[in-house]
Amino acid sequence: AQTVTQSQPEMSVQEAETVTLSCTYDTSENNYYLFWYKQPPSRQMILVIRQEAYKQQNATENRFSVNFQKAAKSFSLKISDSQLGDTAMYFCAFMKHVPQGGSEKLVFGKGTKLTVNP
Amino acid sequence: DVKVTQSSRYLVKRTGEKVFLECVQDMDHENMFWYRQDPGLGLRLIYFSYDVKMKEKGDIPEGYSVSREKKERFSLILESASTNQTSMYLCASSPGRGRVTDTQYFGPGTRLTVL
Repeated sequence: AQTVTQSQPEMSVQEAETVTLSCTYDTSENNYYLFWYKQPPSRQMILVIRQEAYKQQNATENRFSVNFQKAAKSFSLKISDSQLGDTAMYFCAFMKHVPQGGSEKLVFGKGTKLTVNP
Repeated sequence: DVKVTQSSRYLVKRTGEKVFLECVQDMDHENMFWYRQDPGLGLRLIYFSYDVKMKEKGDIPEGYSVSREKKERFSLILESASTNQTSMYLCASSPGRGRVTDTQYFGPGTRLTVL
């Protein structure tokens, strides 16, 4: 079974600075997807960024980027120029690739609570 | 935009009551999921469905059942609510078989308190 570990229950960062959230996972699969989801206080969970395991290039979405190290099974999230609106719970998640006709299951880490301070 | 809605944001029930949590998505997604979220435990999958009338157990199905009579609607049922089922319940959907994206889209959540 796959597991996802987020070793930092809470983190804080000053506005405009850069912060990195850690995530490691354990799997015997070779083809899979990795995600970072964000859950702001009392608001809906939304996707921040996703990475296909077969792609060597790290995904980037504006101020959000990942450092994907497949051999080390590591998938960290870097937030540049942190903003107050980045304050949220961040969840790392794993999904193994399922051939057409199958179903998808996300395995989540326990989350990291990020606070951006003014 | 994908929209996933849940019938209630907050719900208070008594031990032993039968509880229905409803989830509706408007993007013709094939897959739907129910999670519960507890502090320090993250999200845990209760049940999921990849087609109408189809369901599969997730990691913590005990004490729950589900129903999917229509593609857009996925219901979570607590047959006899207990205090240890007090939690935040999140519904999600994803496009499913043969589609390009595998991203799951989440509803706003239902915070259930069982007294």
